[in-house]
Amino acid sequence: SQQGEEDPQALSIQEGENATMNCSYKTSINNLQWYRQNSGRGLVHLILIRSNEREKHSGRLRVTLDTSKKSSSLLITASRAADTASYFCAPEETSGSRLTFGEGTQLTVNP
Amino acid sequence: EPEVTQTPSHQVTQMGQEVILRCVPISNHLYFYWYRQILGQKVEFLVSFYNNEISEKSEIFDDQFSVERPDGSNFTLKIRSTKLEDSAMYFCASRAEENIQYFGAGTRLSVL
Repeated sequence: SQQGEEDPQALSIQEGENATMNCSYKTSINNLQWYRQNSGRGLVHLILIRSNEREKHSGRLRVTLDTSKKSSSLLITASRAADTASYFCAPEETSGSRLTFGEGTQLTVNP
Repeated sequence: EPEVTQTPSHQVTQMGQEVILRCVPISNHLYFYWYRQILGQKVEFLVSFYNNEISEKSEIFDDQFSVERPDGSNFTLKIRSTKLEDSAMYFCASRAEENIQYFGAGTRLSVL
């Protein structure tokens, strides 16, 4: 399993603004997932995008995947204070393998 | 909504003592995981478990660690002789066929 590298490390925005986080990885993948973690809590799955998909939506979340650039982005639209959390990407080479998490992006949404 | 439950939420132990961390995965899930997160660091994979045996383990998961599914519902992580550096949050996760892992709220282990 490979680790994704999230960028930026920290992001601070005002409520109502959009937040964009990026993820880069090194080798070919089967799919890529995004998780969030509120401070001191377990991770919560947000969205999974397969290698043959380019874009996926779920509520206020929009994920893109560019396999040629080995990168993904997570866009949160109309952010809320409750979106404050750390966000992690988890690229998977083989479906069902361990998830490997990086340092994440710490998002702070100011009310 | 079904969830993964972990007990206790906080465990304090003396160095050298054995601890057992307990997890109840989601009932129809077949794959189980333990991860840990040392304070201020990233979440690290420890072990995965399927069909009553370990399917993968990390270099962290040495002989001091063991996992067990003693009955149809519980999944436990045992640390035989705790060290100070075992202090961390321990997360259990489970999944069905697709690799969307559902995490518990964690057990904070404090080794004194």
